[in-house]
Amino acid sequence: GQNIDQPTEMTATEGAIVQINCTYQTSGFNGLFWYQQHAGEAPTFLSYNVLDGLEEKGRFSSFLSRSKGYSYLLLKELQMKDSASYLCAALDSNYQLIWGAGTKLIIKP
Amino acid sequence: ETGVTQTPRHLVMGMTNKKSLKCEQHLGHNAMYWYKQSAKKPLELMFVYNFKEQTENNSVPSRFSPECPNSSHLFLHLHTLQPEDSALYLCASSQTDGSSSGANVLTFGAGSRLTVL
Repeated sequence: GQNIDQPTEMTATEGAIVQINCTYQTSGFNGLFWYQQHAGEAPTFLSYNVLDGLEEKGRFSSFLSRSKGYSYLLLKELQMKDSASYLCAALDSNYQLIWGAGTKLIIKP
Repeated sequence: ETGVTQTPRHLVMGMTNKKSLKCEQHLGHNAMYWYKQSAKKPLELMFVYNFKEQTENNSVPSRFSPECPNSSHLFLHLHTLQPEDSALYLCASSQTDGSSSGANVLTFGAGSRLTVL
């Protein structure tokens, strides 16, 4: 079956760096998305990776290793507003999105 | 308004009620989606409309009935729901080429929080 694994919850300190991991098992692969969802709000797009390597967008970076079925989202210089759930989703060979259950990130002062 | 708007934001209904959720997108996208989000579970795709035609129905019970009158509006009609249907219902839209979902970025609404008593 198809599956996405990511930690249920993580805690980090304001100003620090945190890495949220995501492993995927899909029938074929056409890329991986990360979305951010604040409590009571819409999920919003953060990144899309289809090639191996690291892509940086300001304080957020996303990494992909296709051979390992692995991705991570790296958040630097954490701010209180980064407290949210982070959703990982992989596109399978039929371009269907397979979603993880999300990682709730708690930022402490 | 911009983006994807969902109404109502909160809905409480009895098991015998009939209600509808509404979604409107102002982005000119040609595909719209209904997702169910339950606590600590992955998003569940319910329905997909491409160019106003329903292209997916992921074994959703018939007590959920979608309607897409045009490319900007999407409804989810609800009747005789069960308590386990209580969840956040998210609408999303994207721009597709029509042949497949592709690597399309979804724009989500803030959701309708449904409670079934």
